[in-house]
Amino acid sequence: DAGVIQSPRHEVTEMGQEVTLRCKPISGHNSLFWYRQTMMRGLELLIYFNNNVPIDDSGMPEDRFSAKMPNASFSTLKIQPSEPRDSAVYFCASSRSGARHNEQFFGPGTRLTVL
Amino acid sequence: AQKVTQAQTEISVVEKEDVTLDCVYETRDTTYYLFWYKQPPSGELVFLIRRNSFDEQNEISGRYSWNFQKSTSSFNFTITASQVVDSAVYFCALLPRRDSNYQLIWGAGTKLIIKP
Repeated sequence: DAGVIQSPRHEVTEMGQEVTLRCKPISGHNSLFWYRQTMMRGLELLIYFNNNVPIDDSGMPEDRFSAKMPNASFSTLKIQPSEPRDSAVYFCASSRSGARHNEQFFGPGTRLTVL
Repeated sequence: AQKVTQAQTEISVVEKEDVTLDCVYETRDTTYYLFWYKQPPSGELVFLIRRNSFDEQNEISGRYSWNFQKSTSSFNFTITASQVVDSAVYFCALLPRRDSNYQLIWGAGTKLIIKP
């Protein structure tokens, strides 16, 4: 089975540009999570979707960040406009619904560098 | 407070040695879940194990074993006969039951270096 798929794997952009990160969760998983990982803050949960509906976006740093899940097999995380402090590795993870404690399976991450 | 502490920032051992990664957690809940994840140099996070607070049996999976001790709030991870491929950052995480969300509380990670 394919795992969580993320694209692009690497993104280098200039400050002020729009960045869109993409995620395809594992088929059959109804929960999707976006995380950001930095050396300073470790892993931070940005937003959580259940059955395509955003349940909690309290981790989204500011209005420049937005996330969508138009269907069960696709989600995007958009940063507009991007800033150098947004440089990080962004992970998407998915898990089966039904129990909060179901393990989350992570994608390979997108390494974002904003110059 | 709900917290996970991985006091060992970095551990370096020679291949074939046994190594234990410590994880100490704090939670006010009586029901909770603990996880270990591995992050190899390639960067992805790999799920290793989930344990619920009512199951204190130790778990063994090949060269990996986990020791869950509620009395000391610890969930330590031991690699026996370590191999170079075990080199990675290992994260311990806690999912409290009472909180209405699903947000994992992550430790800072322990970087494990296995030297040939």
